[in-house]
Amino acid sequence: QSVLTQPPSVSGAPGQRVAISCTGSNSNLGAGYDVHWYQQLPGTAPKLLIYGNTYRPSGVPDRFSGSKSGTSASLAITGLQAEDEADYYCQSRDSSLGGSVFGIGTKVTVL
Amino acid sequence: EVQLVESGGGVVRPGGSLRLSCAASGFTLGDYDMSWVRQVPGRGLEWVSGIYWNGDTTRYADSVKGRFTISRDNARNSVYLQMNSLRAEDTALYHCARDSLLGWFDPWGQGTQVTVSS
Repeated sequence: QSVLTQPPSVSGAPGQRVAISCTGSNSNLGAGYDVHWYQQLPGTAPKLLIYGNTYRPSGVPDRFSGSKSGTSASLAITGLQAEDEADYYCQSRDSSLGGSVFGIGTKVTVL
Repeated sequence: EVQLVESGGGVVRPGGSLRLSCAASGFTLGDYDMSWVRQVPGRGLEWVSGIYWNGDTTRYADSVKGRFTISRDNARNSVYLQMNSLRAEDTALYHCARDSLLGWFDPWGQGTQVTVSS
């Protein structure tokens, strides 16, 4: 069981907006640690998508956005495209575990 | 190009050992902390271990503490994970990842598969 809770799957039609939630606790997100998001396309390594709650690395389309409030965070994809079909993971630090923690991942399906 | 390439995975019996290696290129390894993260289909990602840029400080997930040892050789541009007393639940794809000072991992290697089975 992962420390950060994500829905197992979300889906949307091309062009729609989808959002993925990430819920933590007072020892990780609620303690002020940032949340980061990764995209993993089939057969590839995870790729950094959002860092520091809201920042996009160079090359990541602005269709992807992140937010965080208290013990929860969210990744939104607007204008969903077929190439966005992938697994998405949230990650943070945890003070009680002394290391990094991940969500179990959310599979995004483009209908 | 910044790149991480893992090697050393394989099939090992319970109780056995393996040593994973991560070869870094395209950046100065000694400027960064590094971590190992493992992945099991259907169970997501699990941070396993991390090491500071100079090797002075290491951290481990409770699930591997006392069995795994992380180390590095900045002169050889390599990070290692010595895995002892392996269990079936250690079966996973092991990724090496560059650890930013502010908590995220970028980039990741493609991973090396470790299978613990009798």
